Amino acid sequence: GAGVSQSPSNKVTEKGKDVELRCDPISGHTALYWYRQSLGQGLEFLIYFQGNSAPDKSGLPSDRFSAERTGGSVSTLTIQRTQQEDSAVYLCASSSDFWGYTFGSGTRLTVV
Amino acid sequence: ILNVEQSPQSLHVQEGDSTNFTCSFPSSNFYALHWYRWETAKSPEALFVMTLNGDEKKKGRISATLNTKEGYSYLYIKGSQPEDSATYLCAFPTGTASKLTFGTGTRLQVTL
Repeated sequence: GAGVSQSPSNKVTEKGKDVELRCDPISGHTALYWYRQSLGQGLEFLIYFQGNSAPDKSGLPSDRFSAERTGGSVSTLTIQRTQQEDSAVYLCASSSDFWGYTFGSGTRLTVV
Repeated sequence: ILNVEQSPQSLHVQEGDSTNFTCSFPSSNFYALHWYRWETAKSPEALFVMTLNGDEKKKGRISATLNTKEGYSYLYIKGSQPEDSATYLCAFPTGTASKLTFGTGTRLQVTL
């Protein structure tokens, strides 16, 4: 596609429920990243996929968070048993080289 | 631990004012410094990628300079307009050239 597409744009969920966030990167971009921004915080790295290499999961805050990237394209970030501190804007980005990311418009997750 | 710091945290200027803010980063093992603009309800947008000490980049009324020896970059906006209102983020590669660590940003508000 022309840009990075994320869905849903907004998600309100009850505490304890699981959620899935989707990212469709720019076609041909080998790298895909997930970040989040909690209220009053900076962009926090979560996970990074590069081609067929094992993902860099060093930023995932707990084992309730997982992500996969199927066929080197679409990625899904799953949060199990959501907690209120998971409320944030979740951003996906993709890149083909060193010269910066193209971001999606994000998913605003609210856990009530 | 990599630390990217931005100041001020927020800034409020009048239309027509010129302004600038700072990004500080570790000067050792420098690779590149990225600037992004993030408007509310939109995707972060890449502004500049800077790699050389003394580099200066310009895009319209926005320009940036880089000092890799002392570890800082300045972003300047000349004649601020309300549409410049956004959070300005700088980012520094961590571990790999394409995995970025972001600062917490400078939130700029331009009023009439």
